[in-house]
Amino acid sequence: SQKIEQNSEALNIQEGKTATLTCNYTNYSPAYLQWYRQDPGRGPVFLLLIRENEKEKRKERLKVTFDTTLKQSLFHITASQPADSATYLCALAPGSYIPTFGRGTSLIVHP
Amino acid sequence: EAGVAQSPRYKIIEKRQSVAFWCNPISGHATLYWYQQILGQGPKLLIQFQNNGVVDDSQLPKDRFSAERLKGVDSTLKIQPAKLEDSAVYLCASSLSHQGTEAFFGQGTRLTVV
Repeated sequence: SQKIEQNSEALNIQEGKTATLTCNYTNYSPAYLQWYRQDPGRGPVFLLLIRENEKEKRKERLKVTFDTTLKQSLFHITASQPADSATYLCALAPGSYIPTFGRGTSLIVHP
Repeated sequence: EAGVAQSPRYKIIEKRQSVAFWCNPISGHATLYWYQQILGQGPKLLIQFQNNGVVDDSQLPKDRFSAERLKGVDSTLKIQPAKLEDSAVYLCASSLSHQGTEAFFGQGTRLTVV
């Protein structure tokens, strides 16, 4: 069956360090992958989209990689700040373009 | 630009009662999604509309859930009758199209079934 895996354990890091979050998937051939941020009591907010033919995408302090051979995406936040603390969700869309979300990983940045 | 509006923000009902949620997407967005998010899990797609047509409703429990998008703009999601396991946040999202564009989410409706 199709599965999207994100680390259920919270990631705790010190301010200024780089946070790296992982999204693994099985039995998918996604056309694209998205990363969203979700704060408590709010809906997800779109951050980045990367297509299957792209290896890497950057936006300010954010970087996403997409390895379709390993079936994995890595999401990096450089120079992390306490304000980056949130849950980060990855979403995959196969050829039908219907996005399916992982359960998300909580990031806690300590000052 | 106004965001996706949802109402109500919170709802508490008893099991076997019915409930309806309303969503007003961003103007001009053809695609509208309803997601269910249970605490500690990612959003699960219930139904996707393209204008006023259904693209996918394979995960919608059709014996109790229904949704419509009249005139291809606003949408309502209804649960009748509600079960305890329906307690969740119901998120509405919209996007310009269904082909790889970002989705904009509303704040959601938190439903508690007691």
